[in-house]
Amino acid sequence: AQSVTQLGSHVSVSEGALVLLRCNYSSSVPPYLFWYVQYPNQGLQLLLKYTTGATLVKGINGFEAEFKKSETSFHLTKPSAHMSDAAEYFCAVKAGANSKLTFGKGITLSVRP
Amino acid sequence: GAGVSQSPSNKVTEKGKDVELRCDPISGHTALYWYRQSLGQGLEFLIYFQGNSAPDKSGLPSDRFSAERTGGSVSTLTIQRTQQEDSAVYLCASSLGPGDPDTQYFGPGTRLTVL
Repeated sequence: AQSVTQLGSHVSVSEGALVLLRCNYSSSVPPYLFWYVQYPNQGLQLLLKYTTGATLVKGINGFEAEFKKSETSFHLTKPSAHMSDAAEYFCAVKAGANSKLTFGKGITLSVRP
Repeated sequence: GAGVSQSPSNKVTEKGKDVELRCDPISGHTALYWYRQSLGQGLEFLIYFQGNSAPDKSGLPSDRFSAERTGGSVSTLTIQRTQQEDSAVYLCASSLGPGDPDTQYFGPGTRLTVL
């Protein structure tokens, strides 16, 4: 079985500040890990994913995440927040290919001018 | 290219009525997934199709929910005798299928409101 924990429901940062959104997972098999972003009244857009290989993955819009097996974590970061980053962010885990995504509860990111 | 499309975008219905939600996956994608997003439950998996068969139906919450896929393409999610707790956004996703790391691409969703 798989599960995802995203602590907290809301993060607020100033424009230009570091963004750090935490994600911890549990998986009975080597996981595939994803971050999705959802803008208001829109569907989910893939930010980045980890399947195998390099543990530091880069995604769209300057985001990156690092898979740390020992910590069962896949935290999302961005060095400098932009107003357009305000959205809800979901971490998700899959038990290999062709299986369902299990999502965390999501974190709403607000960016202050 | 065209992404995943869903229709209708919004659906308001009365308790007890049946509804059908449609999903058109990305062309060539053999895998199709339905999820539900609600305030109380977050994002929940409902059902997975590979081609026209559904190897994983474990997320369907009750026998009022059913889904089918025809021609390995369009899928319809049907909710019979709708209840207020069925109110949610229903999301469809598709992926290339077997052998792929299986990145799922999501549609914009159908917002269902049961009065």
